[in-house]
Amino acid sequence: DAKTTQPPSMDCAEGRAANLPCNHSTISGNEYVYWYRQIHSQGPQYIIHGLKNNETNEMASLIITEDRKSSTLILPHATLRDTAVYYCVMNAGGTSYGKLTFGQGTILTVHP
Amino acid sequence: EAQVTQNPRYLITVTGKKLTVTCSQNMNHEYMSWYRQDPGLGLRQIYYSMNVEVTDKGDVPEGYKVSRKEKRNFPLILESPSPNQTSLYFCATRTAYTGELFFGEGSRLTVL
Repeated sequence: DAKTTQPPSMDCAEGRAANLPCNHSTISGNEYVYWYRQIHSQGPQYIIHGLKNNETNEMASLIITEDRKSSTLILPHATLRDTAVYYCVMNAGGTSYGKLTFGQGTILTVHP
Repeated sequence: EAQVTQNPRYLITVTGKKLTVTCSQNMNHEYMSWYRQDPGLGLRQIYYSMNVEVTDKGDVPEGYKVSRKEKRNFPLILESPSPNQTSLYFCATRTAYTGELFFGEGSRLTVL
């Protein structure tokens, strides 16, 4: 799986958009970009994933650059409850999903 | 309700005393996996299983065993625990359709 690089921490004001970057310059053609978040020591929670097109769901938007070497997770209106560690994870889709590597993630702090 | 259930949730044990952390899922997923989480190191994959009787090593398999005799259960076995296995452990399953991971609530293990 491709290696990912994320900033260790970020701050965001409540109500503003939080934009979390992830660099995955060694991503291969069949690897998807997944985002998860972990609140305190709970099990990580799935947010969104994509291959090359931008994606949006009720939680967030995912913007993937045209060369697929980086992506940005956008929380459009951050709330205090969005304070968490956010992980960007690469993995091949379909049936090729054995090893999965999480990086150290980004600690997002949303402040009032 | 879709669930991944781990037991025990908390355990304090002593060096060398064999223990098993159980993981059970009710989603009929073929893929299951174990992770450990340590401060500053993120989530690291220990073992994964693509299906019954099929298991493979993740990034940090030393000191652990697993078995997959039936689809719903994937126990993690520590034959001779050592203090460096003190950690927070997560079990996860994965749907083949979207690749989304579902995590258990975690098991906090302390080896004295």
